[in-house]
Amino acid sequence: ETGVTQTPRHLVMGMTNKKSLKCEQHLGHNAMYWYKQSAKKPLELMFVYNFKEQTENNSVPSRFSPECPNSSHLFLHLHTLQPEDSALYLCASSQRTEGPNQPQHFGDGTRLSIL
Amino acid sequence: KQEVTQIPAALSVPEGENLVLNCSFTDSAIYNLQWFRQDPGKGLTSLLLIQSSQREQTSGRLNASLDKSSGRSTLYIAASQPGDSATYLCAVSSYNTDKLIFGTGTRLQVFP
Repeated sequence: ETGVTQTPRHLVMGMTNKKSLKCEQHLGHNAMYWYKQSAKKPLELMFVYNFKEQTENNSVPSRFSPECPNSSHLFLHLHTLQPEDSALYLCASSQRTEGPNQPQHFGDGTRLSIL
Repeated sequence: KQEVTQIPAALSVPEGENLVLNCSFTDSAIYNLQWFRQDPGKGLTSLLLIQSSQREQTSGRLNASLDKSSGRSTLYIAASQPGDSATYLCAVSSYNTDKLIFGTGTRLQVFP
């Protein structure tokens, strides 16, 4: 149990569907992240939220739409995805302070397959 | 642009061996470096975090070193066990940012 819970664990969807990924952290952290992990590629940061405000968008296509209603919950809304979007989507959280960066804690991810 | 490279990409060793995983990065202006472990179908577990001012960190059988000037870090695993089998990832962050830049990982298999 990492303290970061992602649902669903697996998702299969067609290119015209709309779905959402959910992440919840129980660690009292104030920063949350979405990452994409594709086969044989390094983990890629997608979005960062600090205190519910988006502070980083790593040139992610608009078919991915994040939402952070509070510091414990993070969503990734998906629509009109492409086959190359099939990947493992990981959520992470950390405690952002004025001092050194704190370790990020990861969930187990959602395995997304686009038909 | 920061790039992180890990070698070897895969490693298979018998139980009990001491082993070294390598990580190199192109821009030495890092804030810290982290080593993670990822089991199949799972997320990442943070193993060690080294601040840029530190030279090494130890946790149990794991020791990570950092040579910032040469852009290198090593993860040393002593007396390897089958339970150490996983993919090991290193990641660096820059000053005043939470953005982690990851390597592609080393897939380790320790056989009995």
